[in-house]
Amino acid sequence: QQQVKQSPQSLIVQKGGISIINCAYENTAFDYFPWYQQFPGKGPALLIAIRPDVSEKKEGRFTISFNKSAKQFSLHIMDSQPGDSATYFCAASHTGNQFYFGTGTSLTVIP
Amino acid sequence: KAGVTQTPRYLIKTRGQQVTLSCSPISGHRSVSWYQQTPGQGLQFLFEYFSETQRNKGNFPGRFSGRQFSNSRSEMNVSTLELGDSALYLCASRAGVEQFFGPGTRLTVL
Repeated sequence: QQQVKQSPQSLIVQKGGISIINCAYENTAFDYFPWYQQFPGKGPALLIAIRPDVSEKKEGRFTISFNKSAKQFSLHIMDSQPGDSATYFCAASHTGNQFYFGTGTSLTVIP
Repeated sequence: KAGVTQTPRYLIKTRGQQVTLSCSPISGHRSVSWYQQTPGQGLQFLFEYFSETQRNKGNFPGRFSGRQFSNSRSEMNVSTLELGDSALYLCASRAGVEQFFGPGTRLTVL
């Protein structure tokens, strides 16, 4: 059973546009929801994370929106740039034990 | 502070062989986790070690094993390699909940 479901699988956005990636989870015990960015040939890098006691967290152009009742969270990339082209993974964990990852979204930002 | 390092970066093996991958965590991090990343399956959790003890284990066959040393460095071993074991193997270390990944070891099984 996929603990974390991520969509879309791929996304193409114009430069300056908003990129939105969605994730849904099953286990209500999850209490930590990070997003990772991965460039080809590199390991995933922690981008931003949220706890379920807040509905939104913003760091620069990256925002996580969290809906506890719907068990969904999403990553918004504002003013998307070609350098943001990468694969993005959402994840969920209970107290940092055993992270469950989404299947990834390949983002392409067209100049 | 240096990041997570993994060696080797690339490996080519044939079916039936065994392989050992190494991971050095960020200084001060006692937790090391291993993941298998493939295009079709994404990141799949293998196991986590903390203070030389396996704390969590994913759903992989017994051919996949690991260990952690007193300096927190970790090794992962895969015996009797199969074609399907071709993947990027990622190591991640953490002190709290934030997990930091290494660059991975690309294993190709021929």
